[in-house]
Amino acid sequence: KAGVTQTPRYLIKTRGQQVTLSCSPISGHRSVSWYQQTPGQGLQFLFEYFSETQRNKGNFPGRFSGRQFSNSRSEMNVSTLELGDSALYLCASSLAGGPADTQYFGPGTRLTVL
Amino acid sequence: TQLLEQSPQFLSIQEGENLTVYCNSSSVFSSLQWYRQEPGEGPVLLVTVVTGGEVKKLKRLTFQFGDARKDSSLHITAAQPGDTGLYLCRSGTYKYIFGTGTRLKVLA
Repeated sequence: KAGVTQTPRYLIKTRGQQVTLSCSPISGHRSVSWYQQTPGQGLQFLFEYFSETQRNKGNFPGRFSGRQFSNSRSEMNVSTLELGDSALYLCASSLAGGPADTQYFGPGTRLTVL
Repeated sequence: TQLLEQSPQFLSIQEGENLTVYCNSSSVFSSLQWYRQEPGEGPVLLVTVVTGGEVKKLKRLTFQFGDARKDSSLHITAAQPGDTGLYLCRSGTYKYIFGTGTRLKVLA
């Protein structure tokens, strides 16, 4: 079974631009969660989607948004990029979501904001 | 805000040594998970502990959940270079809070 895939793997943007990252979950998984990982703040939860609905959200500004499609693929968007948005963005899929469900992580998208 | 503090932050040891990593919080959790993340990859789940006082073993790794379900430890026996990575604990709550992480390097 193929794992979680994320595209692109690397991205360089400039301040003020916007970016869209993509995540394809493991086949059959209906929940996708997004995380931001930085050296200073560690791994922080952004949001979780299940069956095209945002079910859970972390403490990030509204510039960070996401969506999920009917095939469970998910995208996250960051608008008006800031230098501090430079990070590794990870997505994780699970069968049904929730803290008791096992999450499988993708390799991440490394975003650099110049 | 729930916080998960891990210690030590960094650990560099020789192959064959034993080590223990700690994950502490002031909050009670229904469960706690441990992950390992290697460079260029996402975290991989190692274990989930649910019951206070629970001990789980995964080969050379021993995980323990505190009696009060506020803390956990990960003990590695006879560490090997393949154990190198970032070890993360995660709370069993809907806010998916991860610990601050312990970066382990095992030298051959």
